[in-house]
Amino acid sequence: GQQVMQIPQYQHVQEGEDFTTYCNSSTTLSNIQWYKQRPGGHPVFLIQLVKSGEVKKQKRLTFQFGEAKKNSSLHITATQTTDVGTYFCAGRDNFGNEKLTFGTGTRLTIIP
Amino acid sequence: DAGVTQSPTHLIKTRGQQVTLRCSPISGHKSVSWYQQVLGQGPQFIFQYYEKEERGRGNFPDRFSARQFPNYSSELNVNALLLGDSALYLCASSTGWATRHEQYFGPGTRLTVT
Repeated sequence: GQQVMQIPQYQHVQEGEDFTTYCNSSTTLSNIQWYKQRPGGHPVFLIQLVKSGEVKKQKRLTFQFGEAKKNSSLHITATQTTDVGTYFCAGRDNFGNEKLTFGTGTRLTIIP
Repeated sequence: DAGVTQSPTHLIKTRGQQVTLRCSPISGHKSVSWYQQVLGQGPQFIFQYYEKEERGRGNFPDRFSARQFPNYSSELNVNALLLGDSALYLCASSTGWATRHEQYFGPGTRLTVT
């Protein structure tokens, strides 16, 4: 079945440093969504990417969908303590299955 | 506006028992999806319902079933509970099919099977 892996699993950064998480799918995706989950909380939707090579920005966050639609990345510029949490990608495969597969997640901690 | 609500918040059951979890979507949302999240892992897709019909099913055994009511609320049932069913069960609602639209998650039901 479809697998979605994220690297790194954990990332510790100094406040103000940049952060990037990478998402890789074993199959081509129709679209990809990104979520953030704070410790003890529930996932919160960040963005959806649909087109090959698509890049979207939200303030300090930049999201990219690969040309082959099998990978994606989230880059945060100048991290802040409010960025703490686990970032998940979630993709729908290209086989007509209405099923969203979440990635393994990257847990971000910030050192003040 | 109220967000997605789930009940109960916590639940402790014994192996072999059955459990029913409930979810009320955001007003106007017609899609409800269920996820299982084991500690330290990403949510695993269980079901998606849209307009009261099952639209997607994850790789879960037949012990898991769900339904969506005319008011778009939903129930998830798990029969013959196993220790491995212990997890946070999340419900999410969206305006359209969950796989193609922004999902709003509820706070979850923490199920412990002993």
